[in-house]
Amino acid sequence: DAGVTQSPTHLIKTRGQQVTLRCSPKSGHDTVSWYQQALGQGPQFIFQYYEEEERQRGNFPDRFSGHQFPNYSSELNVNALLLGDSALYLCASSLVGQLNTEAFFGQGTRLTVV
Amino acid sequence: GQNIDQPTEMTATEGAIVQINCTYQTSGFNGLFWYQQHAGEAPTFLSYNVLDGLEEKGRFSSFLSRSKGYSYLLLKELQMKDSASYLCAAPWGGSYIPTFGRGTSLIVHP
Repeated sequence: DAGVTQSPTHLIKTRGQQVTLRCSPKSGHDTVSWYQQALGQGPQFIFQYYEEEERQRGNFPDRFSGHQFPNYSSELNVNALLLGDSALYLCASSLVGQLNTEAFFGQGTRLTVV
Repeated sequence: GQNIDQPTEMTATEGAIVQINCTYQTSGFNGLFWYQQHAGEAPTFLSYNVLDGLEEKGRFSSFLSRSKGYSYLLLKELQMKDSASYLCAAPWGGSYIPTFGRGTSLIVHP
């Protein structure tokens, strides 16, 4: 079991550009959540996808969008990048509807905006 | 809304016991999670409490008091590898999605 895999691991982009991050969930999981983690902070919830639809969204602007594919993998897209978007982006997979289900996190994508 | 508060940093000695506290305010309680995150790595699940009381899991134990909006993570027989950030998280508003605190950076020294 490969667990949650994210790509790329590191990325450098210029202000104003667009970026796409990818996530493959743990085998057997159907729900993918995305988090942004700034240095020294806890992960901040961006949104969650289930059955190819966005189920819940945190307090992030519309520049942040996503997609889930039939195989449960997911993408996070960020448009018009700002310097403040520099962070570790974490993907977490879980099973929907299980109250005490632990979320399994990928290693993250370190995005640097210059 | 959601508000989670935990100390920013703690230090402890190898072999000792340390307690990391977390207070929360949430509308609609769906349990409380603790995660461990080593520098540059992904968070890993430690515990989940939904009922009051202490749950022990090896060297780590987690306590919850719903009436006080309070939880703690207890680490016994500290090892150097326990140096990490410990994240308290609680789902809010009927959601199952954990909202994280800032994390407590634990430094274990010899």
